[in-house]
Amino acid sequence: KNEVEQSPQNLTAQEGEFITINCSYSVGISALHWLQQHPGGGIVSLFMLSSGKKKHGRLIATINIQEKHSSLHITASHPRDSAVYICAVRGGSQGNLIFGKGTKLSVKP
Amino acid sequence: EPEVTQTPSHQVTQMGQEVILRCVPISNHLYFYWYRQILGQKVEFLVSFYNNEISEKSEIFDDQFSVERPDGSNFTLKIRSTKLEDSAMYFCASSVTGGKDTQYFGPGTRLTVL
Repeated sequence: KNEVEQSPQNLTAQEGEFITINCSYSVGISALHWLQQHPGGGIVSLFMLSSGKKKHGRLIATINIQEKHSSLHITASHPRDSAVYICAVRGGSQGNLIFGKGTKLSVKP
Repeated sequence: EPEVTQTPSHQVTQMGQEVILRCVPISNHLYFYWYRQILGQKVEFLVSFYNNEISEKSEIFDDQFSVERPDGSNFTLKIRSTKLEDSAMYFCASSVTGGKDTQYFGPGTRLTVL
């Protein structure tokens, strides 16, 4: 069974700072997801990646398949980026996800 | 933009009662999932559903749980006899394919069992 570990668990940053959240997993995968969970509980998919790097606005996700590691970066962080960021990997052939515990990010103005 | 919807947003029930949580996945999606998140814990997979049958389920998804797609749009999760430990946020998700594909999540139903 794949174990998904995220670090840090909690992160406080000042507005404008560059943020990095890390994710490692124990068993080789075909795809990794980064999701955002808002304080109200809703979950939004940010990225799905299987190799290399993806960029969307101020968000960048990278993955190193050999090292079983992925990072999510936020450039020029803003208070509206405050949320829980969750890493998840595919757990079965039908696409069900195994989730990490999440990183709670708080960006102060 | 199409989205996954869930009803109700909050359900309060007495222990031992049956509850049905409802989801409307995105219309051209073929794979459907239920996940749950107990307060303060990580999201956990319950069950996946494809072609009108369960394709995978976790250890959590025991005989007290069932899923159904009663018509072309709804996807339901039934808990037959709720326990206190079933209190959680339940998320429905859907995707076009089950493999390397983005999953779209509904807003969740918060279930409180008293």
